[in-house]
Amino acid sequence: AQTVTQSQPEMSVQEAETVTLSCTYDTSENNYYLFWYKQPPSRQMILVIRQEAYKQQNATENRFSVNFQKAAKSFSLKISDSQLGDTAMYFCAFETGTASKLTFGTGTRLQVTL
Amino acid sequence: GAGVSQTPSNKVTEKGKYVELRCDPISGHTALYWYRQSLGQGPEFLIYFQGTGAADDSGLPNDRFFAVRPEGSVSTLKIQRTERGDSAVYLCASSPGLTGEQFFGPGTRLTVL
Repeated sequence: AQTVTQSQPEMSVQEAETVTLSCTYDTSENNYYLFWYKQPPSRQMILVIRQEAYKQQNATENRFSVNFQKAAKSFSLKISDSQLGDTAMYFCAFETGTASKLTFGTGTRLQVTL
Repeated sequence: GAGVSQTPSNKVTEKGKYVELRCDPISGHTALYWYRQSLGQGPEFLIYFQGTGAADDSGLPNDRFFAVRPEGSVSTLKIQRTERGDSAVYLCASSPGLTGEQFFGPGTRLTVL
């Protein structure tokens, strides 16, 4: 079974600063995908960024980037130039290449302050 | 809109009652997923459909929970004899295929009194 661990229940960052959210996972699979989802108070889960395990290059999406360390089973999210609209719950999620279903961590609540 | 929609947005029911939660996926998406999100937790997988058939229902907690997708589009999650522990947000997602990005709906908040 796969597990996803987010050890930071809450984080705070000032506007325009950089913050890193941590995620570790455990799996015996070799082919899998990792995701970061954002969930604002509206409850709508929004995909932030996706990483395929077979790709060595870290994924980037505008102000969002990941640090994927496959051997360490670590997948952190870096948010640069934080904006007030980044305030939300952030969930790390895992999907095997065959199972399709997502396994989520418990989330990190990020507050961006002025 | 072209996103995943879920109805109702909120549902309050009494212990022991039957409820149905509806999900309208993005048109053309063959895969549909149901997740349950309890307060302060991440979503937990319940079931997913590929077309009309349930490809994996290993996350359904017990036989009070059942889901259908008769025409390969709209899906209904059915909960019999509701219990207070069923209170949660039920999220639906759809995907154009297996391992593709899952697009989530806004969820249905179920409260069992």
